[in-house]
Amino acid sequence: AQSVTQPDIHITVSEGASLELRCNYSYGATPYLFWYVQSPGQGLQLLLKYFSGDTLVQGIKGFEAEFKRSQSSFNLRKPSVHWSDAAEYFCAVGANNAGNMLTFGGGTRLMVKP
Amino acid sequence: GAVVSQHPSWVICKSGTSVKIECRSLDFQATTMFWYRQFPKQSLMLMATSNEGSKATYEQGVEKDKFLINHASLTLSTLTVTSAHPEDSSFYICSATVDGKTQYFGPGTRLLVL
Repeated sequence: AQSVTQPDIHITVSEGASLELRCNYSYGATPYLFWYVQSPGQGLQLLLKYFSGDTLVQGIKGFEAEFKRSQSSFNLRKPSVHWSDAAEYFCAVGANNAGNMLTFGGGTRLMVKP
Repeated sequence: GAVVSQHPSWVICKSGTSVKIECRSLDFQATTMFWYRQFPKQSLMLMATSNEGSKATYEQGVEKDKFLINHASLTLSTLTVTSAHPEDSSFYICSATVDGKTQYFGPGTRLLVL
């Protein structure tokens, strides 16, 4: 069974600073990887996804993520954080043999200092 | 594209009553929909997977007689919380998949049982 770890529960960055949110997964084959963002009291919005091909994927709102098979990681990055990026971020992994199910990490809460 | 709606967005009910939550894919047909529960400051917990025209598959520990799921069409799934109790108070989120891999989430329904 697959699993996802987001090592950082909370991260605080200054507005305009760069951001990297970590995600490590455990799965035997190449998984499907996702990053979602959740604002308080809201559902989840898809930021980006990786299925195959180019390991650097671009998403919405200026986010990107890089799949590194050797490190079993799919870290999310943004070069310059805006105050509106403050939210909860979830990494998720899906698999062909998992009936379309997603396994979510515990989430990372991002706070942005002015 | 890939918009999922939920109704109602919040509901307050008395203990012992039943509550129905609707999940609709607005601009695509979803053969599979998912229902999640989210406790404060926690990640999403998958409750069940719902396929159009067939019985839902419930995760271990989720009472199927308590949480009735109906997926009558390719655009609508409903979750009915029967004989609700205060411990059922939670944030319920649905999602739908259009490509069998990517899940698009609704905005969530906050249920408060008094």
